[in-house]
Amino acid sequence: EAGVTQSPTHLIKTRGQQATLRCSPISGHTSVYWYQQALGLGLQFLLWYDEGEERNRGNFPPRFSGRQFPNYSSELNVNALELEDSALYLCASSQFDQPQHFGDGTRLSIL
Amino acid sequence: AQRVTQPEKLLSVFKGAPVELKCNYSYSGSPELFWYVQYSRQRLQLLLRHISRESIKGFTADLNKGETSFHLKKPFAQEEDSAMYYCVLGGTGRRALTFGSGTRLQVQP
Repeated sequence: EAGVTQSPTHLIKTRGQQATLRCSPISGHTSVYWYQQALGLGLQFLLWYDEGEERNRGNFPPRFSGRQFPNYSSELNVNALELEDSALYLCASSQFDQPQHFGDGTRLSIL
Repeated sequence: AQRVTQPEKLLSVFKGAPVELKCNYSYSGSPELFWYVQYSRQRLQLLLRHISRESIKGFTADLNKGETSFHLKKPFAQEEDSAMYYCVLGGTGRRALTFGSGTRLQVQP
């Protein structure tokens, strides 16, 4: 089966711009999760989407937002980019409360 | 608040030696615990889930609620076990995983 796919692999932006990251879950998985892995901070939960709805949110400001489409793919949007947003963003998917499967991530670099 | 502590950043052992990667957690409810592994140039993948109680690639982990620990063990390390290991806590029903900081295991020949 195809795994979780994320695009782009690498994204370079400047401060104040907006970034859009994309994720396609494993076929049959309805839940999508976003995590941030910033240098020195480890992996932190960002957002959980299920059946098109935001179900849970981590301790991140509102400029981090996203959505889930009817085909269960998801977008993560980060507005008004700041230098500290530079990180690896991982997407994961799961079926119901089964273990989460991770993608390779999108590395976001803010100049 | 949920917290996972992995006290060792790096654990270096020789091939054939026993391995124990330590993990302690803090959670007020009934925890769900995992070990995820990331091999070089590969994505993060599930190694073990505490409720399944199975051995994967020779690794086992037992949940000790009294000591709030979930240590990962293998009796005889192999070179292919070299990887980054994350202890992960899932709060029941909330799906937000809490990751430890990870332990890099180096198995030397």
